[in-house]
Amino acid sequence: GENVEQHPSTLSVQEGDSAVIKCTYSDSASNYFPWYKQELGKGPQLIIDIRSNVGEKKDQRIAVTLNKTAKHFSLHITETQPEDSAVYFCAAKSREGDYKLSFGAGTTVTVRA
Amino acid sequence: DAGITQSPRHKVTETGTPVTLRCHQTENHRYMYWYRQDPGHGLRLIHYSYGVKDTDKGEVSDGYSVSRSKTEDFLLTLESATSSQTSVYFCATNGGESAEAFFGQGTRLTVV
Repeated sequence: GENVEQHPSTLSVQEGDSAVIKCTYSDSASNYFPWYKQELGKGPQLIIDIRSNVGEKKDQRIAVTLNKTAKHFSLHITETQPEDSAVYFCAAKSREGDYKLSFGAGTTVTVRA
Repeated sequence: DAGITQSPRHKVTETGTPVTLRCHQTENHRYMYWYRQDPGHGLRLIHYSYGVKDTDKGEVSDGYSVSRSKTEDFLLTLESATSSQTSVYFCATNGGESAEAFFGQGTRLTVV
């Protein structure tokens, strides 16, 4: 099955700086890569996703990049704000018709005021 | 949260007792999932369902069973709870049109 590794496990940034989280996946057939944000006491929520036919996608202050050759994808948060403090998970879906997601271990992001 | 309700939200139980967690959705989503969340492991899939009475195992299914008798309800049962099953359990759904999963608020289970 798919194996997703995520780094770093914790990340502390100064407000206004950028944050980058990186993930690698093992199954070259994976074609969908979402990122979820989990706030304290809540369930994860989708913040951005990318499909394998696209190299980069941006939504306001967040962006995701995908390198299929190297089998890695990254989340970039610019101009970080205190409300960006949360746990972030990357995930990968292996093949068409399979709606199971394999998740990374998560990154705890802390934005210092 | 796509109309997903998990119950109970918190539970403390003793080792060896059976426990059932309930997930109820109002979105008529075809796919439903149970994950457990543990520090350092992220979200790991326990079981999932791709339709009424259609279920399959995930990566950490030992000690768990599931049932789905209606589209809206997906039950997770720990037949005989063990301390290693102390965790936060999340239900998720997916409508099938895209791969986006919607999560419930979670159930914190403590086995003592």
